Amino acid sequence: DAGITQSPRHKVTETGTPVTLRCHQTENHRYMYWYRQDPGHGLRLIHYSYGVKDTDKGEVSDGYSVSRSKTEDFLLTLESATSSQTSVYFCAISVSRGDYGYTFGSGTRLTVV
Amino acid sequence: GENVEQHPSTLSVQEGDSAVIKCTYSDSASNYFPWYKQELGKGPQLIIDIRSNVGEKKDQRIAVTLNKTAKHFSLHITETQPEDSAVYFCAAGGGADGLTFGKGTHLIIQP
Repeated sequence: DAGITQSPRHKVTETGTPVTLRCHQTENHRYMYWYRQDPGHGLRLIHYSYGVKDTDKGEVSDGYSVSRSKTEDFLLTLESATSSQTSVYFCAISVSRGDYGYTFGSGTRLTVV
Repeated sequence: GENVEQHPSTLSVQEGDSAVIKCTYSDSASNYFPWYKQELGKGPQLIIDIRSNVGEKKDQRIAVTLNKTAKHFSLHITETQPEDSAVYFCAAGGGADGLTFGKGTHLIIQP
């Protein structure tokens, strides 16, 4: 979507290696989110940020860390990738937490072998 | 916290017919209800939303209704077309709490 880009779009990595996914926005939105999408589970929140260096955990945060050093960038790191982290990861942005729509990126398909 | 249930998980309709997807929510404090459409290989896109001070909202062939008393809201698509085939997500939210998403409905439009 315009204003939000995710990189890479696809990645294959080996179990035990660290992986970092990047989300970049040009909308200057305060809130940024990382979700994972798996069949039968819908969208599950991993972490979110409400400002530079301000982050909080979502419902499936174990094994993931995040950083936001600039308003426009939100990084998701898998410290030591496992096969259970094979998923499609979506970043989203919003102007407020729960009473405005989110804009989603195009996703990163991550495969851990 | 909020819990959103979405039904059905799969819906198959004939082209030209109407489709209805239903969601229920648990937190009476929720006051914002968006709907998202996700096409294959893409991220979810906001297609319509409704706030708790409104009972119904329409945008061309799509409409959303909200029943606050019963805590449920629905997406209605009329005169369905092949390009309506996608996964649809409902969500509920309000204020400091973020959006809680339903698990999605795979809508299939049969030619």
